[in-house]
Amino acid sequence: QKEVEQNSGPLSVPEGAIASLNCTYSDRGSQSFFWYRQYSGKSPELIMFIYSNGDKEDGRFTAQLNKASQYVSLLIRDSQPSDSATYLCAVKGGKLIFGQGTELSVKP
Amino acid sequence: GAVVSQHPSWVICKSGTSVKIECRSLDFQATTMFWYRQFPKQSLMLMATSNEGSKATYEQGVEKDKFLINHASLTLSTLTVTSAHPEDSSFYICSAGAGTSGRASGDEQYFGPGTRLTVT
Repeated sequence: QKEVEQNSGPLSVPEGAIASLNCTYSDRGSQSFFWYRQYSGKSPELIMFIYSNGDKEDGRFTAQLNKASQYVSLLIRDSQPSDSATYLCAVKGGKLIFGQGTELSVKP
Repeated sequence: GAVVSQHPSWVICKSGTSVKIECRSLDFQATTMFWYRQFPKQSLMLMATSNEGSKATYEQGVEKDKFLINHASLTLSTLTVTSAHPEDSSFYICSAGAGTSGRASGDEQYFGPGTRLTVT
C-alpha cells in the first residue's frame, strides 16, 4: 500500500462545476496535510494546508480532513480552465510524503 | 507565501561533468531545505534533507558522493551533481521549510521554480 494515494485521473469537469480531489494516507500519526498545484513543466505551488479535522476554506478552495478515516480532500468551486493542473496531496508525519497527483482538466 | 529561488532554471551539460544548482530562500530563513527530483509524469522523489550547518540526510538509494549537498547559511543550499550521466537528466526542485523566524506558521514547504538538467 502506498503511503499517500491519489487517483491519477485525469479528472475532467466543466467550467463552473465543483472539482473534488481525494487523497488517503496510511500513517495514522500524520499531523499536517497539504495540497499543492503543479502546472506542466513547473514546480509545485502550495495552495492549502490543514492540520485539524473538518473543513478549511480559502477562496474557491476548501480542504477537508478526516483523520479517523485517514482521508483528505480538496474541493474547487466554480472551476476555471486555469485550474487545469496536477494536484499533489502531501502528508507529513515524520517527513513530507507526496501522492502521485491527480490531473485535473477543466473544460470551457 | 515565502519565496524560494533556484538557479539555473535549466542547464545542459556533457556526460562526466559536474553541475551545481543553487537554492535560496529570499524572504525568510530556512533552517531546513529539501532536494527533490521529478521524472516526467511522476511524482516528486525526495533525495535529501539539508540542515544549515550540518551534513545532509540522504534518502535510501541516493548516492551521497554523487549528489553533494551544502547548506552553508540559512538562506542558501546547493546541490552538485558530480560526474553527470544521461540518466541524471531530470527536473530538480528544492524546497525550504521556514524556521521559527520565518513567515510560515507550521510545517509548510515552499518550492523553488526548479532546474531542468539535461545531460548529453
